[in-house]
Amino acid sequence: GAGVSQSPSNKVTEKGKDVELRCDPISGHTALYWYRQSLGQGLEFLIYFQGNSAPDKSGLPSDRFSAERTGGSVSTLTIQRTQQEDSAVYLCASSLAAMNTGELFFGEGSRLTVL
Amino acid sequence: DQQVKQNSPSLSVQEGRISILNCDYTNSMFDYFLWYKKYPAEGPTFLISISSIKDKNEDGRFTVFLNKSAKHLSLHIVPSQPGDSAVYFCAARASGSARQLTFGSGTQLTVLP
Repeated sequence: GAGVSQSPSNKVTEKGKDVELRCDPISGHTALYWYRQSLGQGLEFLIYFQGNSAPDKSGLPSDRFSAERTGGSVSTLTIQRTQQEDSAVYLCASSLAAMNTGELFFGEGSRLTVL
Repeated sequence: DQQVKQNSPSLSVQEGRISILNCDYTNSMFDYFLWYKKYPAEGPTFLISISSIKDKNEDGRFTVFLNKSAKHLSLHIVPSQPGDSAVYFCAARASGSARQLTFGSGTQLTVLP
């Protein structure tokens, strides 16, 4: 597809379980971002990948959160031992280079519900 | 500490009238500002942006105004259309930090036919 693709679109899990969220960015976009939106909140930055550089993990809320980007394309966000406060919509975005124009292209998001 | 604030969670306007969405920021290092629009069950989409060297940027029915001294920006939509009903997010980027945007909490705009 032409846009950013995320899966699953919805995930319901039990507290304490691990989850993996996947993002397939737009072909040719070297920058990839993960954000999350909790209920009633703005988009919160989590992590940023740019080419082969070390990722900027400054937004990850705890060490239960990690992300990988394999081959400079697909990214996986992993949340271990999920907690109820992890419930949110997790949004992936990509852009050409380091967001020269500031424009990010977002996927539709993965809605995570932790029971 | 919210560096980008959208104090109005919702706004309703009549079709054909002007919609004004407001955004305030606290970080004086922000030098680039953007507005994104989000429909339900979709990701945000870029709408319009403005650099800190300007005070106005216009694109069709959408105009963004920046008041640096007040650390305030606004998005004007005129005339408003029912299809404009969406959540609007203000976002800002700090100079020297091309890596991330700081988003506000969004304003739900409803344009009544």
